Amino acid sequence: GAGVSQSPRYKVTKRGQDVALRCDPISGHVSLYWYRQALGQGPEFLTYFNYEAQQDKSGLPNDRFSAERPEGSISTLTIQRTEQRDSAMYRCASSPQREGRDTQYFGPGTRLTVL
Amino acid sequence: LAKTTQPISMDSYEGQEVNITCSHNNIATNDYITWYQQFPSQGPRFIIQGYKTKVTNEVASLFIPADRKSSTLSLPRVSLSDTAVYYCLVALTGGFKTIFGAGTRLFVKA
Repeated sequence: GAGVSQSPRYKVTKRGQDVALRCDPISGHVSLYWYRQALGQGPEFLTYFNYEAQQDKSGLPNDRFSAERPEGSISTLTIQRTEQRDSAMYRCASSPQREGRDTQYFGPGTRLTVL
Repeated sequence: LAKTTQPISMDSYEGQEVNITCSHNNIATNDYITWYQQFPSQGPRFIIQGYKTKVTNEVASLFIPADRKSSTLSLPRVSLSDTAVYYCLVALTGGFKTIFGAGTRLFVKA
């Protein structure tokens, strides 16, 4: 079946612009995670959704970052007033249950470059 | 969340068995140990998970001693295609925040 998809795969933007990154989880998956991954580092947790409820946003770096999952399926990560330090790979993952130990299925990521 | 410590990198040759050990001294009673593999330009991929003793699947084995303060991922007869970063995670049942750490970069040589 279809895996997790993310769009766009690449995004280049100018400093100060807003960007919206989309994640399509595997159909029926309850849990959805957003991560940020810098080159040579492991994924850094940003936020977690259980259906449409954002249950943990402790990893969001500041208030320029927000995420939503209004219908419990597709999710959008929005970065307002982008800065060069926001440049990274942004990854989305979904899992079938509401358990932290459940297998997470990762998407291909969105490479964000802020000029 | 329990912190994990792994070697930064390891080298091996094709056909050898590779063992990567992860320390998680502060693991809690309900925590599970999970390993992911990540190839360049791809997202992490689940390899194996365990709670205690030994778990084996078609890809790897996971050895967890009785005190559960460490775990060892064992890859039998590695090939060049096993060159990747391997992450050890401790995941709390019912919890959500997942800490990956820097992982272990395994380089398999011919």
